[in-house]
Amino acid sequence: DGGITQSPKYLFRKEGQNVTLSCEQNLNHDAMYWYRQDPGQGLRLIYYSQIVNDFQKGDIAEGYSVSREKKESFPLTVTSAQKNPTAFYLCASRTGRGAGLGQPQHFGDGTRLSIL
Amino acid sequence: KQEVTQIPAALSVPEGENLVLNCSFTDSAIYNLQWFRQDPGKGLTSLLLIQSSQREQTSGRLNASLDKSSGRSTLYIAASQPGDSATYLCAVGLDSTDKLIFGTGTRLQVFP
Repeated sequence: DGGITQSPKYLFRKEGQNVTLSCEQNLNHDAMYWYRQDPGQGLRLIYYSQIVNDFQKGDIAEGYSVSREKKESFPLTVTSAQKNPTAFYLCASRTGRGAGLGQPQHFGDGTRLSIL
Repeated sequence: KQEVTQIPAALSVPEGENLVLNCSFTDSAIYNLQWFRQDPGKGLTSLLLIQSSQREQTSGRLNASLDKSSGRSTLYIAASQPGDSATYLCAVGLDSTDKLIFGTGTRLQVFP
């Protein structure tokens, strides 16, 4: 089945440690997105990418980094500079071509990151 | 700066009721408006997407309307069922890159 896979489902980070969250899609989508969700809040955009080897900062990019070396993969690294990383992280993708602009984003099932 | 608000924050109703969930946004210059459903501990599932040139969209028991001039959208759920219990999020698309600004959601519980 086509979809978006996020791994791991749960992740624990020690102080001063960088961790990487995986996001893979087999939907042949051009655009990919990373969001952060805190309890009782909506989603906030961290980074997004419209094409391979290109990405832009969202509203809360500080302390995070991404890469887009392959169309199907968009990993997110939470660096030690992110002082409050405990949250639920969601990855999404969407076709970015022509009529596809009217198509919604498809979401993975998320990774829950906690601080040890 | 675009802000999205959803009212009520939580709603509990008996099965069979017709429901209206509200979403308001501060800047009428939007690209689209989307409604999503989120089950506990899960990702989001798209329900309806309304382009800025459209007034409403329907899917099964769901109907979403958009009034850009007043900065409002409503999600109407007909004949609610316990399986409709979830958090419903609305999001405003700012431009063709589909950057979304989300509301904080309405947590719905439908009891038998």
